[in-house]
Amino acid sequence: AQTVTQSQPEMSVQEAETVTLSCTYDTSESDYYLFWYKQPPSRQMILVIRQEAYKQQNATENRFSVNFQKAAKSFSLKISDSQLGDAAMYFCAYNAGGTSYGKLTFGQGTILTVHP
Amino acid sequence: DTAVSQTPKYLVTQMGNDKSIKCEQNLGHDTMYWYKQDSKKFLKIMFSYNNKELIINETVPNRFSPKSPDKAHLNLHINSLELGDSAVYFCASSQGPTQPQHFGDGTRLSIL
Repeated sequence: AQTVTQSQPEMSVQEAETVTLSCTYDTSESDYYLFWYKQPPSRQMILVIRQEAYKQQNATENRFSVNFQKAAKSFSLKISDSQLGDAAMYFCAYNAGGTSYGKLTFGQGTILTVHP
Repeated sequence: DTAVSQTPKYLVTQMGNDKSIKCEQNLGHDTMYWYKQDSKKFLKIMFSYNNKELIINETVPNRFSPKSPDKAHLNLHINSLELGDSAVYFCASSQGPTQPQHFGDGTRLSIL
């Protein structure tokens, strides 16, 4: 069964600095999709970034980028120029695509605190 | 214009009662999901429907029954509520199984 592990229960960063959140996963599939979702105190689940496993290029979305290491089964999220609004719980999620009918398997989450 | 909307946002009820949570999406997506987030914030899928057809049914007690009257709606009915059912329930939708899922704001269910 696929598992997703976020080994950092909590992280903190100073405003304007850079922080990296770690995620590893276990799968025997060769084609799959990885996501980072953000959950602020308002409880909403907000998509941050998506990576297709068949793409070697790391995905980027403005200040958010990933370091996708397929062989190592690692998918870390880098947040540059951190802002107070980035404070939230971040979830890494795995989707095996068609074979899983869209089922997302989530990691345990990492609470990110941003200090002014 | 809310993309995925759930009602109610909060639900407080007694053990043993039956309750329903409604979900509607206006994104034109074919696939809808229910997830449960427990007190430790862990998210786990419960059900998935594609075009009104059940395609994922994780190991959920049969007290939980999803119903999809059309592809824009996926409701969750829970019978004989138990203390362990207290959680936040999220509805989500996507255009196909590999596309990003858009989540509703969640329904916090509290069992007294």
